[in-house]
Amino acid sequence: QVQLQESGPGLVKPSETLSLTCNVSGGSISNYYWSWMRQPAGKGLEWIGRIYASGTTNYNPSLKSRVTMSVDTSKNQFSLKLRSVTAADTAVYYCARFSGTYTGYIDYWGQGALVTVSS
Amino acid sequence: QSVLTQPPSASGTPGQRVTISCSGSSSNIGSNTVNWYQQLPGTAPKLLIYRNNQRPSGVPDRFSGSKSGTSASLAISGLQSEDEADYYCAAWDDSLNGPVFGGGTKLTVL
Repeated sequence: QVQLQESGPGLVKPSETLSLTCNVSGGSISNYYWSWMRQPAGKGLEWIGRIYASGTTNYNPSLKSRVTMSVDTSKNQFSLKLRSVTAADTAVYYCARFSGTYTGYIDYWGQGALVTVSS
Repeated sequence: QSVLTQPPSASGTPGQRVTISCSGSSSNIGSNTVNWYQQLPGTAPKLLIYRNNQRPSGVPDRFSGSKSGTSASLAISGLQSEDEADYYCAAWDDSLNGPVFGGGTKLTVL
C-alpha cells in the first residue's frame, strides 16, 4: 500500500518561499507522475503541478512563474517550492500520485499539510 | 471559479438513490475520462471512480459513474449515513495540460 506524507513549515511569512516535501513509502517513486494540489479552507481543489520520476515537470499556468518542483529518487521523495507567497496561498497542500496514462488519474493522496501565510 | 461545474449540494434519505452531475467542455470531459473523489470532513480526498466508471478495490458497488459527451454523473444507491461527504469530479484538461476539478458537492444524508 503506497503512502504519502507531506512535511514542512506550517507558517510562512508573506513574500517568502513555501517549501514542502512529500515522502513516498510502500512503493517506488519511479515510473509515476507525482503531483501537488492545494485546497483553501472551505473551497475546492486546485492542481499546482506535477513531476515525473525523471524530473520532467508541468505546472499550472496560473502558478508557473512561482513554482519549482524537484524529485529525489534516492530518498523516494519529491518537493514543492512556491515563491513570493501571499495570504491567498494559505491552504491545505496535498501531495499525490498519478496513475494510468499521461492523462490519468490521482489514486493516492497524502493526508495534507496546512500552510498558513501570515506575518 | 472551478472549470468543471457541480451542484453545490445534494441530499437524500437512507436507502435512497442520489446522483451528482458534473459538466465540462470539449477540452476536458469531452476528450478525457472522468474521475470522482470522496472527501470526508477533515480528511484527504479518496479515489471513488476512475476512467468514468471503474471502481478501485474496496469501493462498494453502490457507487457508479457514467459519462456522456461533456457531462458526467456519480450515482450513489442505497444511501448510508457514512456517505455524507464532499464529492469532487475531475478530468484532464488538454488546454491546461493538467487536471481540473469541479467545485465539489456536499452530500447530506437526512
